[in-house]
Amino acid sequence: GAGVSQTPSNKVTEKGKYVELRCDPISGHTALYWYRQSLGQGPEFLIYFQGTGAADDSGLPNDRFFAVRPEGSVSTLKIQRTERGDSAVYLCASSLKGTGEETQYFGPGTRLLVL
Amino acid sequence: KNQVEQSPQSLIILEGKNCTLQCNYTVSPFSNLRWYKQDTGRGPVSLTIMTFSENTKSNGRYTATLDADTKQSSLHITASQLSDSASYICVVTCDSNYQLIWGAGTKLIIKP
Repeated sequence: GAGVSQTPSNKVTEKGKYVELRCDPISGHTALYWYRQSLGQGPEFLIYFQGTGAADDSGLPNDRFFAVRPEGSVSTLKIQRTERGDSAVYLCASSLKGTGEETQYFGPGTRLLVL
Repeated sequence: KNQVEQSPQSLIILEGKNCTLQCNYTVSPFSNLRWYKQDTGRGPVSLTIMTFSENTKSNGRYTATLDADTKQSSLHITASQLSDSASYICVVTCDSNYQLIWGAGTKLIIKP
């Protein structure tokens, strides 16, 4: 595709519910990143995929958060038993190979509100 | 601890004026430094990238500088336009891995 796309653009859920956020990276990009951004803050790293595998999931805050990328393209971030503190913008980015010199291209984000 | 600090937190200037945003970092080992522009409700977009050996990089009306000795960077915006209103985020890549260390950003508002 022309750019990174994310769906839904907005998600409102109730505390305790399960949500899934989807990311479609730029075609051909092997590296995919998930970030979380709170108001007035820079993005906070969550997880990095190289192909189908999670190369680094050290940023996931706890075991309620999980992400998959089964075919090395689309990725889904899954949040179980949502809490109000999970409310944030969840950003996805992709890059061609995942080296430190590459630019990461970001999607528009999914705004999650947990009531 | 790897950190990136930006100042000011927010800035309001009149259209047509110049401004300079600051970034200090304590990231080691250093790989590169980027400035991103993030419009409200959008994902960040890369403006410039500088490696250790580069001390200035321009992208239109945006000019970034890097002093690797003092670990400081600045982003200078010339002849500001209303469309420059956004958050500007400084990001430093740690050379030992791919991870980006993000600043909190400077929120810039351009008034007509």
